[in-house]
Amino acid sequence: AQKITQTQPGMFVQEKEAVTLDCTYDTSDPSYGLFWYKQPSSGEMIFLIYQGSYDQQNATEGRYSLNFQKARKSANLVISASQLGDSAMYFCAFKPAGNMLTFGGGTRLMVKP
Amino acid sequence: DGGITQSPKYLFRKEGQNVTLSCEQNLNHDAMYWYRQDPGQGLRLIYYSQIVNDFQKGDIAEGYSVSREKKESFPLTVTSAQKNPTAFYLCASSIGGAGYNEQFFGPGTRLTVL
Repeated sequence: AQKITQTQPGMFVQEKEAVTLDCTYDTSDPSYGLFWYKQPSSGEMIFLIYQGSYDQQNATEGRYSLNFQKARKSANLVISASQLGDSAMYFCAFKPAGNMLTFGGGTRLMVKP
Repeated sequence: DGGITQSPKYLFRKEGQNVTLSCEQNLNHDAMYWYRQDPGQGLRLIYYSQIVNDFQKGDIAEGYSVSREKKESFPLTVTSAQKNPTAFYLCASSIGGAGYNEQFFGPGTRLTVL
């Protein structure tokens, strides 16, 4: 069975600093996709970034980047220049080929002014 | 504006009653999904549909039912057989197919059983 783990229940970061949110997964499939979503207090899930298992470069989207280490089966999200509006729950999700999306347990990020 | 709508935002029901949660999308997506989220936890898949008139059980389908009569709509019924239905319910859609297309989510429905 596929498994995805976020080991940090909560994280604090100072405004304007960078923060890394951890995500590890367990699979024997060679082909898969990794996603990060943000969930503000309103509840809606907002797609942030995607990384494919065969992508040669780490994905980047504005202030978000993904530190993809395939051999270690990790896909950590890096948020640069944190803003107060970044305070939210962050979920890592894993999708093997031909299968459904599986979500990790989430990390609550709190940005301090 | 394209997007996914869910209604109602908050729903209260008495024990023993069935209740239906609405999900509509105008993104022309083939695939639609229902997730359940309990406090402090991640999302768990209830049902999904890859195409009209077809749907599959997810990880926690017991006590729930769905229909997919139209491409735009994927309503979820929480039946009295669901032992602990109080939760936050999220509907999502995606282009579908075998690729790794991101899912787009609605604003969610918070169901409370009294």
